[in-house]
Amino acid sequence: SQQGEEDPQALSIQEGENATMNCSYKTSINNLQWYRQNSGRGLVHLILIRSNEREKHSGRLRVTLDTSKKSSSLLITASRAADTASYFCATDPKGQGGSEKLVFGKGTKLTVNP
Amino acid sequence: NAGVMQNPRHLVRRRGQEARLRCSPMKGHSHVYWYRQLPEEGLKFMVYLQKENIIDESGMPKERFSAEFPKEGPSILRIQQVVRGDSAAYFCASSPGQVFNEKLFFGSGTQLSVL
Repeated sequence: SQQGEEDPQALSIQEGENATMNCSYKTSINNLQWYRQNSGRGLVHLILIRSNEREKHSGRLRVTLDTSKKSSSLLITASRAADTASYFCATDPKGQGGSEKLVFGKGTKLTVNP
Repeated sequence: NAGVMQNPRHLVRRRGQEARLRCSPMKGHSHVYWYRQLPEEGLKFMVYLQKENIIDESGMPKERFSAEFPKEGPSILRIQQVVRGDSAAYFCASSPGQVFNEKLFFGSGTQLSVL
């Protein structure tokens, strides 16, 4: 079943602008992770935020987590053409009975125009 | 330290043939996950394995699909009697521990095309 749902499905911005992507999920989680996928490639891990954290930064990335609303956002500041990719959130739902696995959303396709 | 290696990169099969997809996890990683991705879709979990054990195969179709992660050698995802609907990108990922504490490292995927 789909745990995370990203919003928007697609986003097109100009280089230098900020890009914000949102993710909503359904069940309690241990952590939430964001991944990036370039066309035709595997996913690359960007950032992990634990359920007891509210915000995390990594370079031009800023992730927030609101467990009361079961939502997260990924902000990419000062975007570059090289940031063009699909971005996925993934959650590690609690209570999987020992089978800890990540459940992915459908992703946001980001296009950064030069 | 080489990343997660998947082969082949592209695999073409005719309906009814068998497909074998291989995945070598990163050195030191004992947890392997297989995911399937359809065009413009997210990744759908298929199976989670540790060395010589299937931990969770709840995402695997009940028939024709099997997976293994032997003591020696790569993890194998096997699809028997392939049908056109099996056409997809299959990704393997590995981690050194459980994902409540760890991130996943992904391979580049195998693109399976069934004619």
